[in-house]
Amino acid sequence: EDQVTQSPEALRLQEGESSSLNCSYTVSGLRGLFWYRQDPGKGPEFLFTLYSAGEEKEKERLKATLTKKESFLHITAPKPEDSATYLCAVQELGAGNMLTFGGGTRLMVKP
Amino acid sequence: NAGVTQTPKFRILKIGQSMTLQCTQDMNHNYMYWYRQDPGMGLKLIYYSVGAGITDKGEVPNGYNVSRSTTEDFPLRLELAAPSQTSVYFCASRRDSLAFFGQGTRLTVV
Repeated sequence: EDQVTQSPEALRLQEGESSSLNCSYTVSGLRGLFWYRQDPGKGPEFLFTLYSAGEEKEKERLKATLTKKESFLHITAPKPEDSATYLCAVQELGAGNMLTFGGGTRLMVKP
Repeated sequence: NAGVTQTPKFRILKIGQSMTLQCTQDMNHNYMYWYRQDPGMGLKLIYYSVGAGITDKGEVPNGYNVSRSTTEDFPLRLELAAPSQTSVYFCASRRDSLAFFGQGTRLTVV
């Protein structure tokens, strides 16, 4: 059973059209939830870490939120340069230093 | 700082050949990781290390080996390459909640 599930798999938006990406997780205890951005042919780039339900983090047009079962990455008025794959990962209590990644959401923003 | 550096960027191997993927970091991080990423999939952990001389298996360690003789270097060894090992391999290092990834090595086994 997948511990981390991201939806949708792909999302096409017009420039300026706000939307949200979802990351659902099932772990017995959450140590941290991480969001990364990955551009084609490159390694993931760290965006946010969230530790507890109710926590929010913001960076430019991105805002990440966390509940006990899922996290959302809200994108406000996206631009074409926001096009990328967004990855979510969880670190479970008692799982040492392992991160479990979701399958990612491929975001395409058209001008 | 160069961050996390992986070599080579691309490689084609024949079935049964062996090779070493190199990874080095200059941030003095204790934690280092090797992941593989298959098309449309998330990253799967192969091996990780919490410091020089200490390594441990991740989710998908079969067919791979690692060593960590120094803080800086964490090479990944494939002994008998198989088509199932065709993938993109990422090395990462971590301090606290921040993980830094290399640019990846795209490996094809034919």
